Amino acid sequence: QQQVKQSPQSLIVQKGGISIINCAYENTAFDYFPWYQQFPGKGPALLIAIRPDVSEKKEGRFTISFNKSAKQFSLHIMDSQPGDSATYFCAARGHLGYSTLTFGKGTMLLVSP
Amino acid sequence: ETGVTQSPTHLIKTRGQQVTLRCSSQSGHNTVSWYQQALGQGPQFIFQYYREEENGRGNFPPRFSGLQFPNYSSELNVNALELDDSALYLCASIPDLEEDTQYFGPGTRLTVL
Repeated sequence: QQQVKQSPQSLIVQKGGISIINCAYENTAFDYFPWYQQFPGKGPALLIAIRPDVSEKKEGRFTISFNKSAKQFSLHIMDSQPGDSATYFCAARGHLGYSTLTFGKGTMLLVSP
Repeated sequence: ETGVTQSPTHLIKTRGQQVTLRCSSQSGHNTVSWYQQALGQGPQFIFQYYREEENGRGNFPPRFSGLQFPNYSSELNVNALELDDSALYLCASIPDLEEDTQYFGPGTRLTVL
């Protein structure tokens, strides 16, 4: 019920290309869907987030697409750069009297020069 | 930066020992969550504290316990360490007026031998 499935596990994209990471969830009570970026040795940093009443959100080169009926959302990184090489996690927030994030297993992105 | 600090950065313990990890967040961040991130996995929710009271807990045994203090610092205590407790432990603080955002610290890497 609390699972968030993320794919692919790893991704190699050429510089300037588009990186696409997908996530699917089961619990319709989730009300907020953030994406986090994590570099080695660092904690996750919030990248971009969306609420389920919006189908798309764009911030610079990063776009979230959200399909409520399919219970899926994806991160698109346009014009991918070597500095984008990191691990990306999708997450979903649930409210059980408290706010908690359920994370996907992560996607390791490598952008080749 | 997120304004969330954690100590120590790295820690090595042996099975059966006890460990205390520390987190410090910003003023006005009265909610703190702790997560366990095993190698190659997404963070998993351990528990959450609000104004020094535990108000939510994930699927972790009672040997994982915590404390939160009025000065916006908190602790994660783990008793009877097991090999599987080896992981990156992250704390995340939530600003009182910004419920959507969880600011993660850099984590403490715990190795249990």
